[in-house]
Amino acid sequence: DAGVIQSPRHEVTEMGQEVTLRCKPISGHDYLFWYRQTMMRGLELLIYFNNNVPIDDSGMPEDRFSAKMPNASFSTLKIQPSEPRDSAVYFCASRSSRPTQYFGPGTRLTVL
Amino acid sequence: SQQGEEDPQALSIQEGENATMNCSYKTSINNLQWYRQNSGRGLVHLILIRSNEREKHSGRLRVTLDTSKKSSSLLITASRAADTASYFCATDANQGGKLIFGQGTELSVKP
Repeated sequence: DAGVIQSPRHEVTEMGQEVTLRCKPISGHDYLFWYRQTMMRGLELLIYFNNNVPIDDSGMPEDRFSAKMPNASFSTLKIQPSEPRDSAVYFCASRSSRPTQYFGPGTRLTVL
Repeated sequence: SQQGEEDPQALSIQEGENATMNCSYKTSINNLQWYRQNSGRGLVHLILIRSNEREKHSGRLRVTLDTSKKSSSLLITASRAADTASYFCATDANQGGKLIFGQGTELSVKP
């Protein structure tokens, strides 16, 4: 299996622009998680899905952030409009009924 | 709020020495997991210990869990330079599948 796939790996954009991060979970996994990692705040859970349904979005910072999972093999995290404080590494992770999570390589986002 | 708090925040040792990292948490858990993150990479699962277990081994890793003290430790024996990474504990408190991660311990193993 290819593992969790994220794209792009790096994104540099200007403040105010829309940013879309993409994730393909491991086939057969029915949970998908979006995390954000910064030096200041560590690893934060933003939102997670079970069977494509959002279960807990309490970690989403504000309305500028939205996430979708239209099918079992694809999810997006969108930031609109982006701000410099959104600069971070964004990770996607997936898991099956077993409790271990498998992380993707991350997307390093820089908002200028 | 963070469920897991790790100690120390940073640890520097020589190759061949043992490294011990500690994690404390606040609520009841189903299991506790340890993950490793190499610089610039995603986290990788190392080991899971269930709430009814007290100790678990995997290769050079030894994990203990004390539910009465709400704490866990990760011991890496005979460390190698390749063990240099950040190590995170994560608790599963039966909240629908999510994990709460600690802030991590940054381990540096010098050759």
